[in-house]
Amino acid sequence: AQSVSQHNHHVILSEAASLELGCNYSYGGTVNLFWYVQYPGQHLQLLLKYFSGDPLVKGIKGFEAEFIKSKFSFNLRKPSVQWSDTAEYFCAVRGGGSYIPTFGRGTSLIVHP
Amino acid sequence: GAGVSQTPSNKVTEKGKYVELRCDPISGHTALYWYRQSLGQGPEFLIYFQGTGAADDSGLPNDRFFAVRPEGSVSTLKIQRTERGDSAVYLCASSLAGGASNEQFFGPGTRLTVL
Repeated sequence: AQSVSQHNHHVILSEAASLELGCNYSYGGTVNLFWYVQYPGQHLQLLLKYFSGDPLVKGIKGFEAEFIKSKFSFNLRKPSVQWSDTAEYFCAVRGGGSYIPTFGRGTSLIVHP
Repeated sequence: GAGVSQTPSNKVTEKGKYVELRCDPISGHTALYWYRQSLGQGPEFLIYFQGTGAADDSGLPNDRFFAVRPEGSVSTLKIQRTERGDSAVYLCASSLAGGASNEQFFGPGTRLTVL
C-alpha cells in the first residue's frame, strides 16, 4: 500500500520569504507524484506533477518540486511567496499503473502581506 | 459550465437518514472519481467509474455507501442510514479517460453534516 506524509501541517510566512513544503511517500515501485492546491473557497487544482524524466518539475505560479528517489521525497518549493499563495497544499502519490492517487493530509500555508 | 459541478453544496441530515449527492463531470470525460475529505485530512478515495461501470470501488467504507453512473455522465453517491462519522466533504473529480496520465479535475464538493 502507498502512503504520503506531509510533515508541515501549518506554515506561516511573510511575503517574499522562500517556501519549502515537505512530502515523503512510501511505495516500492514506480510512482507518479502530484502537488495540488486549494485556494480559499475554490476547487482543488493541480499545481504540478512528476511522471518521469527530469526530477525537477516546474509548475504554475512559480512553484517547482524535486523528486529525490533515494529519499522517497517530492518537496514543493517557491523562492518568493506572495500573499495570494495562501492556500492548502496537498501532496499525492500514485503507484505506477494505478489510476487512484493517495493524498497526504495537507499543509495550510498563510502568507502575511 | 466548463467545470465539474456538485449538488447540493451543503447537506444537513439526521442520523439514520438516506442522502444522495450528485456530480456532473466535465462533458466528454469518461472517468469519474468520488473522494471523501474529513476535517484536517486529504481526500480519501471512494470509488472510480470508467463509463457506466465501477472500475474500482475498493474505497467504499461499508455497504451503506453506493454510487451509480447509469448513463456514463452524471453520478450519484448514495449513503444509507447515515452516521455522524459520515460527516465530511465529498469530492467528485473527472478526467478525459481513466489512463494514469490523465489529469483529474475536481468539483467544489458537497459538505455533508450528520446531526
